[in-house]
Amino acid sequence: EDKVVQSPLSLVVHEGDTVTLNCSYEVTNFRSLLWYKQEKKAPTFLFMLTSSGIEKKSGRLSSILDKKELFSILNITATQTGDSAIYLCAVDLGGGADGLTFGKGTHLIIQP
Amino acid sequence: NAGVMQNPRHLVRRRGQEARLRCSPMKGHSHVYWYRQLPEEGLKFMVYLQKENIIDESGMPKERFSAEFPKEGPSILRIQQVVRGDSAAYFCASSPFGQGRNRYEQYFGPGTRLTVT
Repeated sequence: EDKVVQSPLSLVVHEGDTVTLNCSYEVTNFRSLLWYKQEKKAPTFLFMLTSSGIEKKSGRLSSILDKKELFSILNITATQTGDSAIYLCAVDLGGGADGLTFGKGTHLIIQP
Repeated sequence: NAGVMQNPRHLVRRRGQEARLRCSPMKGHSHVYWYRQLPEEGLKFMVYLQKENIIDESGMPKERFSAEFPKEGPSILRIQQVVRGDSAAYFCASSPFGQGRNRYEQYFGPGTRLTVT
């Protein structure tokens, strides 16, 4: 069975800290890995990663994929209270499956 | 440009009733995905539709669930004879792209929270 596992499931840090969120996967087919941020409403797209070792960056957020070890990390530097959210990792299986397989998410809480 | 619209935002149904969830994709988007988020679980893919076509319904339960995306109007996710286990948040996402790498620039609606009593 295809699996996407995120860790930790929840994390509480102080404003200004740097956090690293993990996503590992075991899937039969792999096309890409995606990160989403889910606040009170729907997830918003952050990154799509297809190649190993190439860092994607957007402001204080960055992400990288390791296709050999089958994981990805999402880094957030200089965290702010507005970063509090659930961060979802999803894998695009390709091979005709048109949906995504999601992990359960990491619930990140930034304390002032 | 309005985002993806879903309605109702909250829906309460008694066991055995029907639930109809609507999703209006962003303007210019002809690809719609439905996901279900159960408590304590991640989002799970249900179905992918284009206008008038179901492309992939591999995530849909075999019974009681159906989806459509007519030529005119919103996409509808229909759940017949609801049971308590159907209580969840149902998200719709739309994309302007079909095949190709960019198709997962999906834009999510706010979700419909279904509660079955």
